[in-house]
Amino acid sequence: SQQGEEDPQALSIQEGENATMNCSYKTSINNLQWYRQNSGRGLVHLILIRSNEREKHSGRLRVTLDTSKKSSSLLITASRAADTASYFCATDATENTDKLIFGTGTRLQVFP
Amino acid sequence: GAVVSQHPSWVICKSGTSVKIECRSLDFQATTMFWYRQFPKQSLMLMATSNEGSKATYEQGVEKDKFLINHASLTLSTLTVTSAHPEDSSFYICSASKLLRDSPLHFGNGTRLTVT
Repeated sequence: SQQGEEDPQALSIQEGENATMNCSYKTSINNLQWYRQNSGRGLVHLILIRSNEREKHSGRLRVTLDTSKKSSSLLITASRAADTASYFCATDATENTDKLIFGTGTRLQVFP
Repeated sequence: GAVVSQHPSWVICKSGTSVKIECRSLDFQATTMFWYRQFPKQSLMLMATSNEGSKATYEQGVEKDKFLINHASLTLSTLTVTSAHPEDSSFYICSASKLLRDSPLHFGNGTRLTVT
């Protein structure tokens, strides 16, 4: 399977703490994306990092990419209860950029 | 931002019946749409790539006669689950891409299918 792996599978933290999720993938990529999914809903795009980038920020989100290790991390700083959701990384294969392969996901619970 | 509408949001049907799920891109043309299936607390598994005006491309292990995909226009793709069985119960999600470099996928809100 080409599916990426994410860890941890589940993460519970208190409001105000930082949450870090990791993603590992298997193939060469053009870019890596992070998505968020609220329970029973579709996915919402959060951030995209290109294969030639090492770090990217968007608001309280910080994403890193290490192509030599085929891994990425998503950091959410100063978490809020509203950040409670599942987070997925997704990669596109360099030979078929139309298709995204999603990681296994991290379920984040932020307690108020 | 780009909007993708998926309908219905939930459906309950009896075994042996067929169910059609629609996916529309409301404010952009989508020559390619993707259909995913998601089991509880699991990731999205790509089922097929829907191509406007041509046959869908199915992922390995997905029965094309079971999951019929039609992409009749640049804004509409449909997934029909034929002769549904309880094991087809799942959350089905569509997405569409603007096919611009580094463009993200835009997802519908999913359809919860329950086959009794």
